[in-house]
Amino acid sequence: DIQMTQSPSSVSASIGDRVTITCRASQGISSWLAWYQQKPGKAPKLLIYAASSLQSGVPSRFSGSGSGTDFTLTISSLQPEDFATYYCQQANSFPITFGQGTRLEIK
Amino acid sequence: QITLKESGPTLVKPTQTLTLTCTFSGFSLSTSGVGVGWIRQPPGKALEWLALIYWDDDKRYSPSLKSRLTITKDTSKNQVVLTMTNLDPVDTATYYCAQILNWNYFDSWGQGTLITVSS
Repeated sequence: DIQMTQSPSSVSASIGDRVTITCRASQGISSWLAWYQQKPGKAPKLLIYAASSLQSGVPSRFSGSGSGTDFTLTISSLQPEDFATYYCQQANSFPITFGQGTRLEIK
Repeated sequence: QITLKESGPTLVKPTQTLTLTCTFSGFSLSTSGVGVGWIRQPPGKALEWLALIYWDDDKRYSPSLKSRLTITKDTSKNQVVLTMTNLDPVDTATYYCAQILNWNYFDSWGQGTLITVSS
């Protein structure tokens, strides 16, 4: 199985800050990576797919980069609605696996 | 508009079998490239992929749960059914179904249903 490791596990930031979350795959997955946002009590929402493609309707302050084993999700200017938990997911091979999540909190 | 909704019992006893139904609209599971998957999330924990079925009836399972899972589809009813046998309290989680539209990314999700396993 491909293990996905996110860092940090949690981060505190302020409105307007730039935040970067990292996801590392235990083996190369090319660009087969997605990022999801999950708010408490809600289902995850697809933000980024294919490592850097923005899902329709997602604000442009969200961006993704990376390939191979190392990936990043960047939020360029935090808005109040961005405080949530973020998960990465590899789509390179079965079994599909997710990272353990990064909780983004208000400072 | 794509919608998915999970349904099933909220409380299951240990050793029993769980049957969950995902009823969807806004897409067809007979369209090439489309799939529906199940993902679960124990309270306060991360997401775990369980199973996936594609438009051509190809089925994939999590290796750690494969012996306990069965996924089927009814294209005419726009439903996907997941069966999990021999439930244990560690299976307590919110269970989500989600659509795959080309490649294995979960584009749209149901609201989830909390399943509690307890005697």
